[in-house]
Amino acid sequence: SQTIHQWPATLVQPVGSPLSLECTVEGTSNPNLYWYRQAAGRGLQLLFYSVGIGQISSEVPQNLSASRPQDRQFILSSKKLLLSDSGFYLCAWSGGLYSGANVLTFGAGSRLTVL
Amino acid sequence: DQQVKQNSPSLSVQEGRISILNCDYTNSMFDYFLWYKKYPAEGPTFLISISSIKDKNEDGRFTVFLNKSAKHLSLHIVPSQPGDSAVYFCAASAYFSAAGNKLTFGGGTRVLVKP
Repeated sequence: SQTIHQWPATLVQPVGSPLSLECTVEGTSNPNLYWYRQAAGRGLQLLFYSVGIGQISSEVPQNLSASRPQDRQFILSSKKLLLSDSGFYLCAWSGGLYSGANVLTFGAGSRLTVL
Repeated sequence: DQQVKQNSPSLSVQEGRISILNCDYTNSMFDYFLWYKKYPAEGPTFLISISSIKDKNEDGRFTVFLNKSAKHLSLHIVPSQPGDSAVYFCAASAYFSAAGNKLTFGGGTRVLVKP
């Protein structure tokens, strides 16, 4: 069965420090991968998605970047964190475009607090 | 521009009664709709979905209704149980989007089921 792992679960970082959140998926190949963010009291906002290794699409301009160095690995990064980067970050995966599976499966999330 | 809206931020219902959650969308390209349930500090979990070729889909206590002409869908939970207390997100996608299975989420509705 497929599983998705996301870490760290909780992170407290000072403003201006770098960020790296990692996500890996097991039990599938060629997944679509996604990074979402839930800001306090708000819905889920899509930040990045990837349909293959090295292919990254950004949904909103921001202080963050994403990379997909391997088929089942998705990394969210920042060189210098801002206070507004605080939130709950969620990695998700789905089957490919014509796989018949339009459901995203989410990881447990990473709570980032920037002070 | 919010393409998916959940206008009720919260809902309180007595155990055993029906919970009705509403969702409206504006993008006529959306043709697949999903509901997710989220507990605090956890990732959302998939509940139920519906394709635009249907107007109703049922799974146990959960039923989703779709009114395409009104661009409106709803989730009915019958009977409501205390374990249903969570935040519920409506999501939509254009199934054969070249951009993959991106989901656009509503802002969520917090449901509290009182014993």
